Order: sequence, then structure tokens, then C-alpha cells
Amino acid sequence: DTGVSQDPRHKITKRGQNVTFRCDPISEHNRLYWYRQTLGQGPEFLTYFQNEAQLEKSRLLSDRFSAERPKGSFSTLEIQRTEQGDSAMYLCASSPPPTGTDNTGELFFGEGSRLTVL
Amino acid sequence: AQKITQTQPGMFVQEKEAVTLDCTYDTSDQSYGLFWYKQPSSGEMIFLIYQGSYDEQNATEGRYSLNFQKARKSANLVISASQLGDSAMYFCAMREGQMSSGGYQKVTFGIGTKLQVIP
Repeated sequence: DTGVSQDPRHKITKRGQNVTFRCDPISEHNRLYWYRQTLGQGPEFLTYFQNEAQLEKSRLLSDRFSAERPKGSFSTLEIQRTEQGDSAMYLCASSPPPTGTDNTGELFFGEGSRLTVL
Repeated sequence: AQKITQTQPGMFVQEKEAVTLDCTYDTSDQSYGLFWYKQPSSGEMIFLIYQGSYDEQNATEGRYSLNFQKARKSANLVISASQLGDSAMYFCAMREGQMSSGGYQKVTFGIGTKLQVIP
């Protein structure tokens, strides 16, 4: 399977604990995105990497959130001192570099990591 | 103002019938793209169809077509011959700005429409 993979798929944690999610994008995709989706809402942008550089961060991303993509391949999203409001689905997506005129900017999503904070 | 507006929280359609899911958008960019994604209960976002702002023809992909009305800023999804497997959340999304070799093209999603296909 050469799609975007995320791990773990489900995480239940107690308030105050740290959690880390991993995303492996499609191998030839240099762009990687993290989104958060809460119940009844569409995905909300959190952060964007182009290769290993983190080029955009949403104001939604508080100081407790940190994302890395150290070698321009997989990425991790860490949430420190989790709060109940962090409960959500964390979606990772990747996209290829634009080439020619037929690149749409389509995002290829993983299956998401669902976080429940008790 | 909301960038993407989906006004139908839920829709029902009889199997084999067609259904239209509404989407309006707001942007001042001349170059932008519109997407529809399907999200089944498993959670994965599945790309369905794309329409570029300069495309003169409405996009079609199998049973999916996008009714693009640029002056009205609407990009409705039409699903023909609905199947039970079409039951899912459907999200309209917009990419603002022109694709380029650098920088970030923001993709904004609506809140979705839950479609249920009735046998």
C-alpha cells in the first residue's frame, strides 16, 4: 500500500499526558499537512511542511503542539499536557510538488488518528 | 465570512436516484480550485472531483459531476444513480491561489453534509 499512513489509529489518554502521532506520506510527495477535525466539523488546518521546512502554522496550534519532519519524509505531531478539548481526529495529508499545468493541489489523506482525552 | 458554506447538514436520497449537495464559496482570488471529498465512517478523506477556476467545462468523474457556477460562486456536487455505499459525509473544499513551486496553497473545508442513501 503506497498511500498515506498514520499511527496510531486510535489513542486514549488521560488529561495531562503527552501523545505523539506519526504520519508517513506518499513517498514522492514533498508537501505534508496536518489537519484537526472535531465532531460535526470539517478538517481545520494546523500546519504545513515543504520537505523538512515547516512553512505554515495555524493559530490553532498552541504552544503545547509541536510538529516535525526531520528528514523530509515522515512527520510527527506531539501534543504535550493534553486537555479534553484536544479530543479530535488528527488527519495527515500529502501532495506532490506542482509540475506543469495539471497539478490541482489535491490532498491525499491518511485514515487519521483519533485522540480521546479523558 | 465563511470561505466554504455547506448549508445542508443532512440529506436523504433513495437508492438509484440522483442527489445534489450544495456548496458556495468566497474568495477574492482569480485562480483557485474546488474539491469534493467523501468521508465514510472509517474516517479517511477520499478525493472525488476537482474544478479549477479557469475550467470552462463542469468536471465529471464517473457518477460524480460538479455544477460550477462561477458568477454565483457555487460548486454543487451531483451524484447520479446513488448507491448504498455513497452514504457518508461529503466535504467541499477550496484551494486559494495559483499552484506554484513554492509556498503554501491554503485548502479550506466546509463543515460537510451527511448523505444517507435509503434502500
